[in-house]
Amino acid sequence: NAGVMQNPRHLVRRRGQEARLRCSPMKGHSHVYWYRQLPEEGLKFMVYLQKENIIDESGMPKERFSAEFPKEGPSILRIQQVVRGDSAAYFCASSPLPGTNTEAFFGQGTRLTVV
Amino acid sequence: DQQVKQNSPSLSVQEGRISILNCDYTNSMFDYFLWYKKYPAEGPTFLISISSIKDKNEDGRFTVFLNKSAKHLSLHIVPSQPGDSAVYFCAASDGYSSNTGKLIFGQGTTLQVKP
Repeated sequence: NAGVMQNPRHLVRRRGQEARLRCSPMKGHSHVYWYRQLPEEGLKFMVYLQKENIIDESGMPKERFSAEFPKEGPSILRIQQVVRGDSAAYFCASSPLPGTNTEAFFGQGTRLTVV
Repeated sequence: DQQVKQNSPSLSVQEGRISILNCDYTNSMFDYFLWYKKYPAEGPTFLISISSIKDKNEDGRFTVFLNKSAKHLSLHIVPSQPGDSAVYFCAASDGYSSNTGKLIFGQGTTLQVKP
């Protein structure tokens, strides 16, 4: 039973380029969360998605960031026109049934470096 | 506004002794609390959780205590082992009320267990 899979593990982008981060949840999990960890900080919630729906995007920056979780395929976190401040570790987590107080399982993260 | 706080950035203990990690929260709507352990370059791994209807939960060497009146929880590790050396994150959720399952994380405490 594979865990949460994120790719790539490391991503280097020049300022102004686009970054695409992928997340495949655990088998049987239809709820996906994205979190961002800036250097020396804790994880910050970004967005919560179910299949084909964005449920809570209260943690997403207003511009350049978007997320999707299509009916088929992985969830994608997309960052357009990246800036140095976007450099961080981005973690995806999945859960079978949110709101029922069960733990979320995290992937190993994608470390984005903007040069 | 930091709703979950871990005021000790680091903690060092001797192997075999007890490690106590502390966490404070401000939002009285939080009803589920979790501890995650994180090694460098990896994703957080779930350790133990506690519902707000309990004041203690134990799992092997790990025990979490919840003091709702003080809005405080702690993680006890007994006995501590060198392999426990990692960053520990406290997280909270208002799952029953919001039904989103998103987690609010503290800043983390780096635990070092010396042989």
